Amino acid sequence: QVQVQESGPGLVKPSETLSLTCVVSGDSISSVNNWWGWVRQAPGKGLEWIGEFYHNGIINYNPSLKSRVTISEDRSKNQFSLKLSSVTAADTAIYYCARGVAGARYFDYWGQGTLVTVSS
Amino acid sequence: DIVMTQFPDSLAVSLGERATINCKSSQSVLYNSNNKNYLAWYQQKPGQPPKLLIYWASTRESGVPDRFSGSGSATDFTLTISSLQAEDVAVYYCQQYYGIPPWTFGQGTKVEIK
Repeated sequence: QVQVQESGPGLVKPSETLSLTCVVSGDSISSVNNWWGWVRQAPGKGLEWIGEFYHNGIINYNPSLKSRVTISEDRSKNQFSLKLSSVTAADTAIYYCARGVAGARYFDYWGQGTLVTVSS
Repeated sequence: DIVMTQFPDSLAVSLGERATINCKSSQSVLYNSNNKNYLAWYQQKPGQPPKLLIYWASTRESGVPDRFSGSGSATDFTLTISSLQAEDVAVYYCQQYYGIPPWTFGQGTKVEIK
């Protein structure tokens, strides 16, 4: 059974960098069958795709966040990370990591999500 | 970016009755070479992550009850719950995955019991 689990600080100060990690079990982030990525949801709002990576090194970001986002992978630990710099209150959200199906990019496995609040 | 618009924003349906949610994309998500619509539907219950219900516009994910069905093509899509159950109370989202990123979601439709 595939599981993905987010972890990281729940509180980040404005202008600082948000850092989250997603640990994957039951599948490999090196698999050719899947993409791995991040989606966020501001409180009471809808879903916003942040970015994704593929095993061959291809990384895609949402243009609305591209200047501030970095997604990286650690194959030895079968996990991947999200960094979002220069955060503001508008970045307060539940951050989900998810598995995307290669050749499609709908998301079939999601983490439970982690709430990150940006506040001083 | 492809903009996804859902309607209605919310609806209340009696138990056992049909619920219909619509999703419209700002451009076609039908890929002519394989005749597939690059559209998915998700269900999100309070405090939970989204759950995949439907992909390729009409293919039900494994384990999803058959009262959930998806239809439509190109720019207009529908998610139908044929007989609403209490456990179906949730917010439903459509998502397009056509072409190149960014992948985008509709704003969500809240389904409640009348």
